[in-house]
Amino acid sequence: DAGVTQSPTHLIKTRGQHVTLRCSPISGHKSVSWYQQVLGQGPQFIFQYYEKEERGRGNFPDRFSARQFPNYSSELNVNALLLGDSALYLCASSLGGDNTEAFFGQGTRLTVV
Amino acid sequence: RKEVEQDPGPFNVPEGATVAFNCTYSNSASQSFFWYRQDCRKEPKLLMSVYSSGNEDGRFTAQLNRASQYISLLIRDSKLSDSATYLCVVRAWEDSSYKLIFGSGTRLLVRP
Repeated sequence: DAGVTQSPTHLIKTRGQHVTLRCSPISGHKSVSWYQQVLGQGPQFIFQYYEKEERGRGNFPDRFSARQFPNYSSELNVNALLLGDSALYLCASSLGGDNTEAFFGQGTRLTVV
Repeated sequence: RKEVEQDPGPFNVPEGATVAFNCTYSNSASQSFFWYRQDCRKEPKLLMSVYSSGNEDGRFTAQLNRASQYISLLIRDSKLSDSATYLCVVRAWEDSSYKLIFGSGTRLLVRP
């Protein structure tokens, strides 16, 4: 079975642009969470979606938004990119909404110039 | 204060050494505890869950002290392949959802 897949793997954007990152969870998993990991830090929680509804939101500005589709895949959108948005964006998949065991995709490395 | 705190290291040890990592967490409502391993420029991967009674998986032993809000990971007989960053993670109910809260990681370098 395929694990969590994310696309693209790398991305370079300029300040002010917007970006869409995509994630496909493990087959059968209904929960997708998004994390931002800047260099030298641990991943920081951005959003969780379960059964297409937002279940949790971290301390990120409204420029960050996400959604989950009927097939449980998810998109993370970031508007008005700032240099500080440069990071590894990780998607984690879990079976239920309670995050008992989370499996991560390989991440999308976003560079904002 | 960070919710999950770890010594950033790096810990530089010879092959065969025993090394211990510590972690403290501030949310007393934390319910589950984990150690993840992250290789350079890769995604975190679950190393082991941590139980109150302590648990062992081969060369790895994890301990949890709920009263002190303290988690540890012991690696015996270190291998070169153990070189990685080790992330302490707690699962806590916050703002109406379960969240995984990560420490900043402890970097381990095992030298020949």
